[in-house]
Amino acid sequence: EVQLVQSGAEVKKPGESLRISCKGSGYRFSTYWISWVRQKPGKGLEWMGRIDPSDSYSDYSPSFEGHVTISADKSFSTAYLQWSSLKASDTAMYYCARHEATIFDYWGQGTLISVTS
Amino acid sequence: SYELTQPPSVSVSPGQTASITCSGDKLGDKYVYWYQQKPGQSPVLVIYQNTKRPSGIPERFSGSNSGNTATLTISGTQAMDESDFYCQAWDSNTVVFGGGTKLTVL
Repeated sequence: EVQLVQSGAEVKKPGESLRISCKGSGYRFSTYWISWVRQKPGKGLEWMGRIDPSDSYSDYSPSFEGHVTISADKSFSTAYLQWSSLKASDTAMYYCARHEATIFDYWGQGTLISVTS
Repeated sequence: SYELTQPPSVSVSPGQTASITCSGDKLGDKYVYWYQQKPGQSPVLVIYQNTKRPSGIPERFSGSNSGNTATLTISGTQAMDESDFYCQAWDSNTVVFGGGTKLTVL
């Protein structure tokens, strides 16, 4: 069974750093891209960027480039999303999703990030 | 940047047909994907490549795409279909989501 299991909810202060994870199982991790999608409370889906775990090539939405870093460790079948300095506006649910070419067929359960002073 | 526009809300009576539109410039030249998201849950793919249904998605879900508009159609809508729906397309190796449509079954 294909699963993407994300790390748990986090409560952080502005300016703190954070890395959340997305662990794939039930399939060959390096053969599917992983994308990250943000959903602010009561709002829609926003694509942040993606990574090819086979070679760690990544690209980003212009809206998120420079604000987050996407990485992966194929030996652990895990992708990561990290911030060096969180802002209150980063408060949101973050989803990972796998895709072969263009189809987002499996999604993680989401990681809720709350940034508050 | 490319934009996809959806109506914020659509209402339908149980058993009737619901149509949710997604519009974008020359959208018919692209593949469109549709996701259903129920409160507190992750999105679920219900239509891919304009018209195809993933395994496990009921036949009452169908899709079309032509010109500048893609449409998700739900035939014989059930109360359990009440949720948010998002269209999605790729443009220049970037993923674009529509703003989402809240489907109310009443």
